[in-house]
Amino acid sequence: AQTVTQSQPEMSVQEAETVTLSCTYDTSESDYYLFWYKQPPSRQMILVIRQEAYKQQNATENRFSVNFQKAAKSFSLKISDSQLGDAAMYFCAYRSNSNYQLIWGAGTKLIIKP
Amino acid sequence: DGGITQSPKYLFRKEGQNVTLSCEQNLNHDAMYWYRQDPGQGLRLIYYSQIVNDFQKGDIAEGYSVSREKKESFPLTVTSAQKNPTAFYLCASSTSGPQHFGDGTRLSIL
Repeated sequence: AQTVTQSQPEMSVQEAETVTLSCTYDTSESDYYLFWYKQPPSRQMILVIRQEAYKQQNATENRFSVNFQKAAKSFSLKISDSQLGDAAMYFCAYRSNSNYQLIWGAGTKLIIKP
Repeated sequence: DGGITQSPKYLFRKEGQNVTLSCEQNLNHDAMYWYRQDPGQGLRLIYYSQIVNDFQKGDIAEGYSVSREKKESFPLTVTSAQKNPTAFYLCASSTSGPQHFGDGTRLSIL
């Protein structure tokens, strides 16, 4: 069975600095998707970025980028120029290509220091 | 605008009462999901449905029931058998892409 591990329960970063959140996963499949979701205090679940496993190029969305290491089964999220509005819980999730269900990590709470 | 609507935003349940949480989507997505989130925790899957008139249990289905009579709607009933229903409930939908979420319902016991 697939699993997703987020080893950092909490991270903090100074405003305007860069922070990296880690995520590792376990799967025997070769074709799958990976996602990072953000959940601010309002508790809305917001998609931040996604990566298709067959794509070698790392996904980027403005200040958010990933470091996808398929062989190492690692999918870290880098947030550049951190802003106060980035404070939230961040969840990493895995999805098989054959099943729409998501396998979720436990989440990392990101604190932004002004 | 397309999206997922959950109602009500807040819900209170009395002892022995069944309550139903509504989830409606106009994204034309085939699959829909219900998650439970306890304070400081991640998401746990209650039920999911990949097609109308069909649904499967997730990891914590006991004490819950669902129906999928229409593609747009996937209501969740929290039955009196669920002894600890206080939580935040999120509904989501998807096709082959990422899951999209509603704003959630907070359920508490009176």
